[in-house]
Formats: sequence, C-alpha cells, structure tokens
Amino acid sequence: EPEVTQTPSHQVTQMGQEVILRCVPISNHLYFYWYRQILGQKVEFLVSFYNNEISEKSEIFDDQFSVERPDGSNFTLKIRSTKLEDSAMYFCASSDRTGFGGELFFGEGSRLTVL
Amino acid sequence: AQKVTQAQTEISVVEKEDVTLDCVYETRDTTYYLFWYKQPPSGELVFLIRRNSFDEQNEISGRYSWNFQKSTSSFNFTITASQVVDSAVYFCALSEVANQAGTALIFGKGTTLSVSS
Repeated sequence: EPEVTQTPSHQVTQMGQEVILRCVPISNHLYFYWYRQILGQKVEFLVSFYNNEISEKSEIFDDQFSVERPDGSNFTLKIRSTKLEDSAMYFCASSDRTGFGGELFFGEGSRLTVL
Repeated sequence: AQKVTQAQTEISVVEKEDVTLDCVYETRDTTYYLFWYKQPPSGELVFLIRRNSFDEQNEISGRYSWNFQKSTSSFNFTITASQVVDSAVYFCALSEVANQAGTALIFGKGTTLSVSS
C-alpha cells in the first residue's frame, strides 16, 4: 500500500541550527502539506504546496520556515534557525484530490527536539 | 474562537463498552468536509472517515459509526464494543472551501481514549 515516508524519525539539534526534514509523498499525489504537533497538543497546519509553489500557509510558518520540492519525489521542510519552541512532531501529508476535501495521507512524523 | 471543539479531553472505558466521541464545528461555509483521524501511541495519524457537508447520511464501518448533524454542527464518532486496540487519541478536523488549491485541515484538540481490559 502506498505511503508517505518521512526522515529522520527523530532529530535532536541545538538552538540556532538549521534543520531539514524530508518527506517522500505518495507518487501520484499533487498536493503536499506540513503539519506540526507540539507534544500533547493538537495538530496544526503549517503550509500547503501545489504546482511547485506554496498555496497556503499559517501564521506559524514565518520566515524561518521554507519548503521545497527539489526533485520529483522529495518534499522538504527547512527551519533556518531553530528555536526551543520548534520542538514538535512534524507531519508531512499528501493528497491526490484537486481542490479541498481530499483525503490526506500522513507520514509517521519526524520528531524534532531543540535543546 | 475554536473552529473544531472536542470537549472531551480524556475518556476511559472498559473493553466491550460503547463510547461516543463528540465533535462540534464552526464554519460559515455551506460547503466543507469533516474528518476523523486516529493517532495511536506509535504517533502516526490514521485516516478514519471523510464526510462532506451535503451528505448527512450516517455511516457505519464495522464497530465504528459516525453521526453527522448539520442542525447542531456536530460530527460524533461512536465505537461499539470497544477494544484495547482502540486506545488512541482521536482528532476531528474540518476543511473549509476558502482555499481551493489544497486542503488545510483544522484539527480539534483531540480526545484521548483509554480502553482497559
């Protein structure tokens, strides 16, 4: 069964360091997303990406964040200078539906710990 | 104001009990989608169901059933004859039509269900 894969599963970094989280969406999907979940809290939308550009982003997704689809398979989330409050589980998701309402397939998440 | 409210933070039941997880949403759109996701202890998010705003038919899938009532803006989830493997955090989510180029889900805070044997 096709699935969204994320690497690394867990990353520990020092405050101020750059972090890149990687995702391989399901191959025929067109819409890609990043969500985050601070421990014990709800899942929050960060950004959606379609046709090689950001289609929507939340207030959380400030200038420290960027996304990229460097090739035909990977979808990355970069945090330029990590802060303590960036510690969270980051979920990548993809969808094949044109327009809203598509079922999002989530990866297993990348846990980021900022010390 | 929260757009998706899951008032029950934690629920504990004993195996074989039925349990209902509540979800109340708020939207001005007439067209929207509602979702339920399960997050087991392993952490991944597992899709359970999607319902669009024009389809108020209740759905049953095995031990799971969903009751969508537009009049009360609720989309409740019932697990019949609960099992220990049902222990997880359950999230209700809303997708509005505002963004046509993708689906930004708005999640509730989740309900932690603990089923003991």
